[in-house]
Amino acid sequence: KTQVEQSPQSLVVRQGENCVLQCNYSVTPDNHLRWFKQDTGKGLVSLTVLVHENDKTSNGRYSATLDKDAKHSTLHITATLLDDTATYICVVGDRGSALGRLHFGAGTQLIVIP
Amino acid sequence: EAAVTQSPRNKVTVTGGNVTLSCRQTNSHNYMYWYRQDTGHGLRLIHYSYGAGNLQIGDVPDGYKATRTTQEDFFLLLELASPSQTSLYFCASSVQGYEQYFGPGTRLTVL
Repeated sequence: KTQVEQSPQSLVVRQGENCVLQCNYSVTPDNHLRWFKQDTGKGLVSLTVLVHENDKTSNGRYSATLDKDAKHSTLHITATLLDDTATYICVVGDRGSALGRLHFGAGTQLIVIP
Repeated sequence: EAAVTQSPRNKVTVTGGNVTLSCRQTNSHNYMYWYRQDTGHGLRLIHYSYGAGNLQIGDVPDGYKATRTTQEDFFLLLELASPSQTSLYFCASSVQGYEQYFGPGTRLTVL
């Protein structure tokens, strides 16, 4: 059973527009949540990690929120660039140690057009 | 920054073939992982290891063996490859499992 659901599956935006990606999960316990960027054919690069209830993080044009009560996270990308074209993957860790497992979403494919 | 490399980057084999995927990390991380990524699915854990000589079974281990020969090197073995093993394979490493650093991936095609 899929424990991390991402929406939308894919999204097309024009360069300069903002966008929001959603992640809903049922993983318990939910120690932390991380957003990765995956360029086509490449590995995963961490964008940000959220740990606490109602956490908010910011990393340049990327910002993220976490609501542990609702088991929901959002990734906001501001003023998109062509280089933002990639798959964005939400990952929930059920522990903060090696005893835990990572639970991966299938990703949202973002396409930024000129 | 953690450096994880994988080889080969692309591999094509036939059904029944014998394939070894290699992963090396140069940051003295004790944990290493092998995942597969398929369209419509999140990454799924095949095997992992917490040190040389150690092997732990992941969530989708059937048809795969793995071996951790040194702190740096982790290998994934497909002794009788099948078309269902066509996938993008990622290796990752971490100090204690909290943050994993991923390699660039190996695309395997089994004809």
